[in-house]
Amino acid sequence: EDQVTQSPEALRLQEGESSSLNCSYTVSGLRGLFWYRQDPGKGPEFLFTLYSAGEEKEKERLKATLTKKESFLHITAPKPEDSATYLCAVQTSGTYKYIFGTGTRLKVLA
Amino acid sequence: SAVISQKPSRDICQRGTSLTIQCQVDSQVTMMFWYRQQPGQSLTLIATANQGSEATYESGFVIDKFPISRPNLTFSTLTVSNMSPEDSSIYLCSVAHTLGQGSTDTQYFGPGTRLTVL
Repeated sequence: EDQVTQSPEALRLQEGESSSLNCSYTVSGLRGLFWYRQDPGKGPEFLFTLYSAGEEKEKERLKATLTKKESFLHITAPKPEDSATYLCAVQTSGTYKYIFGTGTRLKVLA
Repeated sequence: SAVISQKPSRDICQRGTSLTIQCQVDSQVTMMFWYRQQPGQSLTLIATANQGSEATYESGFVIDKFPISRPNLTFSTLTVSNMSPEDSSIYLCSVAHTLGQGSTDTQYFGPGTRLTVL
C-alpha cells in the first residue's frame, strides 16, 4: 500500500536555529513529490515539486531535497513567520492523485 | 498559478440539512479536486470533478452524500448532504493544469470552507 509519513509531528525552534523536516514514502512508482505550507484556517500554499532523486529546490530560507525513499525540507535560520504546518504529498506513476502525509507543525520562537 | 475562490468561507449548519460549496477559478483548468481536512488531520481526497461527466469518487465517499457538479473548466460545486456532526471539517478544492501553461502535476488549493454541523 502506498504510504507517506512525516516526522516529527511537531517541532519548536528558536529563531535562527536551523533544522530539517522529513517526508518518507513507500510507493509503487514516484511521479512527483510536493511540499506545501499551510497556515491556520487557510488552504495549503504550494512550495516545491521534486521529480527525481538528487533533485533540490530552494526558496528563501527553505530547501527541499529528494532521495529514492524520502525528502527533506531544510529550514535555514528560521523566523517566526515560518511558523506553519508543512505538508508533503506524493503523486504515484500513472495517476494524478496525491497522497498526503500528516504534516509537521513548526513553531519558531522569537 | 490560478487564483481560486471558495464560497462560503465558513458556515454553521443544523444536522440533516445540506450545504453547497462553490469553487471558482480565474482561468480554465483541466483538473479540479475536492478534499476534506478533519480537525487536526491531513487532507483526504473526496473526488475528482470531471467536466461534463460524473465525478470520480475515492473509497469511502459516495455520490449520494457528496454530489459534485462541474459545468465548465472554471467552476465546480460540492454538496454535503444530510449532514451530521461527523461532517464538520474544512473542505478544500484544488486545481491542476491551467490550459496553455505548465505542469499537469502541481495542485493549487483554494482557501477552504470551514463547516461546523450542530
